[in-house]
Amino acid sequence: DAGITQSPRYKITETGRQVTLMCHQTWSHSYMFWYRQDLGHGLRLIYYSAAADITDKGEVPDGYVVSRSKTENFPLTLESATRSQTSVYFCASSEWDLGYEQYFGPGTRLTVT
Amino acid sequence: KQEVTQIPAALSVPEGENLVLNCSFTDSAIYNLQWFRQDPGKGLTSLLLIQSSQREQTSGRLNASLDKSSGRSTLYIAASQPGDSATYLCAVIADSWGKLQFGAGTQVVVTP
Repeated sequence: DAGITQSPRYKITETGRQVTLMCHQTWSHSYMFWYRQDLGHGLRLIYYSAAADITDKGEVPDGYVVSRSKTENFPLTLESATRSQTSVYFCASSEWDLGYEQYFGPGTRLTVT
Repeated sequence: KQEVTQIPAALSVPEGENLVLNCSFTDSAIYNLQWFRQDPGKGLTSLLLIQSSQREQTSGRLNASLDKSSGRSTLYIAASQPGDSATYLCAVIADSWGKLQFGAGTQVVVTP
């Protein structure tokens, strides 16, 4: 599929489990981002990446780990899920010569029980 | 720290009326500003990107203006339709990484 995809779309997991959310884009954009969206907090940046093997923390990185071994993939791992990580997670990508316009994936709804 | 504010938080208009959505930001040193639409339970769809050197950007019935010096952007939607009902978010790009700082959004309902 062309564009930016996320998997799974829905996930229920238990407290303490490790879970990985996948993000894949077909545009070869350099920049990729992970956001979480919560009622009352809006959209907040978790991690971002400027290229393969270049990542940095955003506003709310605690409890999350990212990697980027290939340009097109940017997985987000919750090392030991907590109930406070119940949220909708969005992945996005952009490119500097497109004015950094960000394109979002459809989101993953994660519930931690 | 950059703060982005959208007022009002919610708006209801009859079909055919023009919509005016406001976005303000505290630090005028931005790269660009982007407007999004989000339908319930869905992802974000990019509507318009305004580069910092531009004063406005247009796409169909949508027109967005940018006044960096006063820290404001306005999204105009002409002749609203029920299908325009959604939450509209603005976000500023404030660094060369392209990170977005979002406002809380304006929830719009267009009644037939």
